[in-house]
Amino acid sequence: LAKTTQPISMDSYEGQEVNITCSHNNIATNDYITWYQQFPSQGPRFIIQGYKTKVTNEVASLFIPADRKSSTLSLPRVSLSDTAVYYCLVGDINRDDKIIFGKGTRLHILP
Amino acid sequence: DAGVIQSPRHEVTEMGQEVTLRCKPISGHNSLFWYRQTMMRGLELLIYFNNNVPIDDSGMPEDRFSAKMPNASFSTLKIQPSEPRDSAVYFCASTLPRGEQFFGPGTRLTVL
Repeated sequence: LAKTTQPISMDSYEGQEVNITCSHNNIATNDYITWYQQFPSQGPRFIIQGYKTKVTNEVASLFIPADRKSSTLSLPRVSLSDTAVYYCLVGDINRDDKIIFGKGTRLHILP
Repeated sequence: DAGVIQSPRHEVTEMGQEVTLRCKPISGHNSLFWYRQTMMRGLELLIYFNNNVPIDDSGMPEDRFSAKMPNASFSTLKIQPSEPRDSAVYFCASTLPRGEQFFGPGTRLTVL
């Protein structure tokens, strides 16, 4: 299982774009990159998933460079409600395999 | 669909007592996961099932923990006997093959 490294915490202000980078140097060929969001007192929730280049949905964008050794979750124009822990996970989604949640990045949005 | 359902939402018990946590996965999902979350250790995978069969229980802390999935719509996580260090939030999640995991609201367990 590829190990991921991401910042422990980040602060930003309402209205700003927030970029959270995750490092996964030993990502395997079949591995996908998935991000989850966890609000206090709730379980994690899927945000976005990608394999290469760029993926965008209504919540976020995911940028993956050609070497796939890192990825960046981009949250446009954050609000106070985006305060949460964000987890980056790497794994082969085509296998019935477990995925490992790291410590995540605690994002704190300030007014 | 109501999503993943867990019960109870809160449990307070005394050391030595048996605790049973329950989970109803989303209908049609074939994989089920049990996690434990604490401030110190983060989110830990305890065990997961695929088509009701336990696949990997290497995360189960010790013999005091056991999990069952008698059918596709129900799973239990049992702790016997419970200890104060078992205090945590326990999450259940379910998924389709190659799909995202859907988490339940969690059970907050306090062992006094």
